[in-house]
Amino acid sequence: AQKVTQAQTEISVVEKEDVTLDCVYETRDTTYYLFWYKQPPSGELVFLIRRNSFDEQNEISGRYSWNFQKSTSSFNFTITASQVVDSAVYFCALSEWNGANSKLTFGKGITLSVRP
Amino acid sequence: NAGVTQTPKFQVLKTGQSMTLQCAQDMNHNSMYWYRQDPGMGLRLIYYSASEGTTDKGEVPNGYNVSRLNKREFSLRLESAAPSQTSVYFCASSVQGGTQYFGPGTRLTVL
Repeated sequence: AQKVTQAQTEISVVEKEDVTLDCVYETRDTTYYLFWYKQPPSGELVFLIRRNSFDEQNEISGRYSWNFQKSTSSFNFTITASQVVDSAVYFCALSEWNGANSKLTFGKGITLSVRP
Repeated sequence: NAGVTQTPKFQVLKTGQSMTLQCAQDMNHNSMYWYRQDPGMGLRLIYYSASEGTTDKGEVPNGYNVSRLNKREFSLRLESAAPSQTSVYFCASSVQGGTQYFGPGTRLTVL
């Protein structure tokens, strides 16, 4: 069975600090996908990134960056120069692909608070 | 292009009442999903429909039924609501194997 662990439950930083959100996953499949979603206080779920198991290149998008390491089964998310608008719950998720569907298994989420 | 829409946004039920949560998507996606979100639990899959005409159980299906009405619509029914079903319910859709996009959620309280 697949599993996603987000060991950090709550993180509080001051604006402009860098912050890293950790994600560790377990799966027996060789083909899988990893995701990060953001849930701001308004409650909707916003897709941030999707990464497949064959692509270990790190990715940067503005202030966001992701570090995927298969050797440690981790897919960590770093926000550089955090802003108050980054305050949200962040979910890491794992999807195994069996050719027919892509069910997501979510971690329990990390609540990030960015103080002015 | 509205993406994924859900109705209602809020609902209060008494124990034993029934209701149906509606979900529709206009992205021509084949697959649709229902999740529930409880404090400290993340999101858990209730049911999914990989394609029109098929439905399958997820992690927490007990107490729920679903109907894939057509390619656009996927409804979730609570036949006899229980307080344990108090939660926020999210519908999502995707192309097969693709990224799931979520609706705004339905906040359900069962008294």
